[in-house]
Amino acid sequence: AQTVTQSQPEMSVQEAETVTLSCTYDTSENNYYLFWYKQPPSRQMILVIRQEAYKQQNATENRFSVNFQKAAKSFSLKISDSQLGDTAMYFCAFMKRWDAGNMLTFGGGTRLMVKP
Amino acid sequence: GAGVSQSPSNKVTEKGKDVELRCDPISGHTALYWYRQSLGQGLEFLIYFQGNSAPDKSGLPSDRFSAERTGGSVSTLTIQRTQQEDSAVYLCASSPDGHPGNTIYFGEGSWLTVV
Repeated sequence: AQTVTQSQPEMSVQEAETVTLSCTYDTSENNYYLFWYKQPPSRQMILVIRQEAYKQQNATENRFSVNFQKAAKSFSLKISDSQLGDTAMYFCAFMKRWDAGNMLTFGGGTRLMVKP
Repeated sequence: GAGVSQSPSNKVTEKGKDVELRCDPISGHTALYWYRQSLGQGLEFLIYFQGNSAPDKSGLPSDRFSAERTGGSVSTLTIQRTQQEDSAVYLCASSPDGHPGNTIYFGEGSWLTVV
């Protein structure tokens, strides 16, 4: 079974600064996908960024980037130039590549507050 | 519709009553998922539908929980004889065809409170 751990329950950052959210996971699989989801107060989970484990290059989406360390089973999210709208819960998630059920396994979440 | 639609948004029910939660996925999406988000357990997978295949019910916590998907579109999650521990946000999600690399789109959830 897969497990996903987010060791930072809460974090804060000043607007325009950079913040890094940590995520580690445990799996015996070699091929899989990793995700960061954002959940604002509206409750809707929104995909922030996705990484395929067989790709060595770290994924980037505008101000969001990841540091994927496959050997260390680490998948951190860096948010650059933080904006007030980035305030939300952030969830790291894992999916096996060939899992017929396509089940996402989520970490416990990190509550990020961006301060003006 | 433009996104995954869930109803009701909020539901308060008495212990022992049955509840039905509805999910309308993005048009054309064949894969549909239900997750539960609670304070004590975080986000848990409940059930997965893919096209006409038998659903993956491996995440349903007890036989009081059931779900169906009619016509490959709308899904209903039913909780019978609700208990206080069933209080949670129930999230529905859909994706185009269930391929692991496809984006999964979530609705805003149904917040269930059992009193």
